[in-house]
Amino acid sequence: EAGVAQSPRYKIIEKRQSVAFWCNPISGHATLYWYQQILGQGPKLLIQFQNNGVVDDSQLPKDRFSAERLKGVDSTLKIQPAKLEDSAVYLCASSSIRDTGEGGYTFGSGTRLTVV
Amino acid sequence: EDKVVQSPLSLVVHEGDTVTLNCSYEVTNFRSLLWYKQEKKAPTFLFMLTSSGIEKKSGRLSSILDKKELFSILNITATQTGDSAVYLCAVGPKAAGNKLTFGGGTRVLVKP
Repeated sequence: EAGVAQSPRYKIIEKRQSVAFWCNPISGHATLYWYQQILGQGPKLLIQFQNNGVVDDSQLPKDRFSAERLKGVDSTLKIQPAKLEDSAVYLCASSSIRDTGEGGYTFGSGTRLTVV
Repeated sequence: EDKVVQSPLSLVVHEGDTVTLNCSYEVTNFRSLLWYKQEKKAPTFLFMLTSSGIEKKSGRLSSILDKKELFSILNITATQTGDSAVYLCAVGPKAAGNKLTFGGGTRVLVKP
């Protein structure tokens, strides 16, 4: 079974530029999550999708962050304009309520963003 | 607001030592507690705990949950340099959707 795919793996941008990350979840997983992990901290949920609908985006800085999940499969997360404090690893994960092993969660390998 | 606190923040041990990592939580509608190992970017799954007092083991790692006192511990015996990593604790709600709330992690460094 293929895992959760993310790209790019690394990105360096200047502040005020825009950036986009892509995630392809495990086939059949209805729920998709974007987490932000700042160095030295645990991951923090930015947004959760159920199919192509948003379940929770309460911690998404909506003035600069946006995310979509078209057709309930792939998802993109965009930051525009980026700030220095957005430097972090962005983790995508997917889950299925039918999966009971490993908490039903599978993480992608993440995208490390550095804003200079 | 759900809260997960891990301690210690970091520790340094020598190969062969035993380490105990702590995770305390305050969440509404608790469903499960998960432990992850994070070496580079992606967290890798270690354990999922849902019932109190039942120890889960995998090789030199073990974990147990106390739902009355709202904490879990992760033990690593006979540590090896490959155990060096950040260990993350996360809790999930009872409702479907499995949103996880993570603690800040414990960074473990095992020296030869």
